[in-house]
Amino acid sequence: QSVLTQPPSVSAAPGQKVTISCSGSSSSIGNNYISWYQQLPGTAPKLLIYDNNRRPSGIADRFSGSKSGTSATLGITGLQTGDEAIYYCGTWDSSLNVWVFGGGTKLTVL
Amino acid sequence: QVQLVESGGGVVQPGRSLRLSCTASGFTFNNFGMHWVRQAPGKGLEWVALTSYDGRSKDYADSVKGRFTISRDNSKNTVYLQMNSLRPDDTAVYYCARPRASVVQGGGLSYYFDYWGQGILVTVSS
Repeated sequence: QSVLTQPPSVSAAPGQKVTISCSGSSSSIGNNYISWYQQLPGTAPKLLIYDNNRRPSGIADRFSGSKSGTSATLGITGLQTGDEAIYYCGTWDSSLNVWVFGGGTKLTVL
Repeated sequence: QVQLVESGGGVVQPGRSLRLSCTASGFTFNNFGMHWVRQAPGKGLEWVALTSYDGRSKDYADSVKGRFTISRDNSKNTVYLQMNSLRPDDTAVYYCARPRASVVQGGGLSYYFDYWGQGILVTVSS
């Protein structure tokens, strides 16, 4: 059971928007910045969002992040079939003193 | 460009040992801590271990504490994961990852993994 809670799956049609939630605690998301990772089938995870809402160079502005209290949200607009992947949230937990991941959310673009 | 390349994986019997290596290039290795993260078949990501930039500070997930040891050789730009007393539930793809970390205003942490290796498969089976 993951310290951070994500929905197992979400789906939407091409061109639509989807959001993925990540719920934690005061010692994890509530205290520290969150990041999001995209894992395409058969590949290593890739940094998508860091510091709650910042995009690394090369990441499309269709991807956005936000945080409020002990929860965070990843948003993806203009969905493409190439966005089908598993998305993970992650952060440092200051109480456990370890890194923690969410369980992952599988995005299906119908 | 930054590259992380894992090696040393394979098939090993339960109870035996294996050492993974992750060789880095494209950045000043001894300026960065390093982590290991694993992913069991069909499962999510699980953080395994971390080492500080100088190897003096280390920490482990409860699932591997006492069995796994992380270390590094900055002269070789390499971080290791020594895995002892392996169990079938240690079967996974193991990734090394480079963290970026800083303390932010208010005392919280900005902490994330900006580069990952391609992963190496470890299978524990008789």
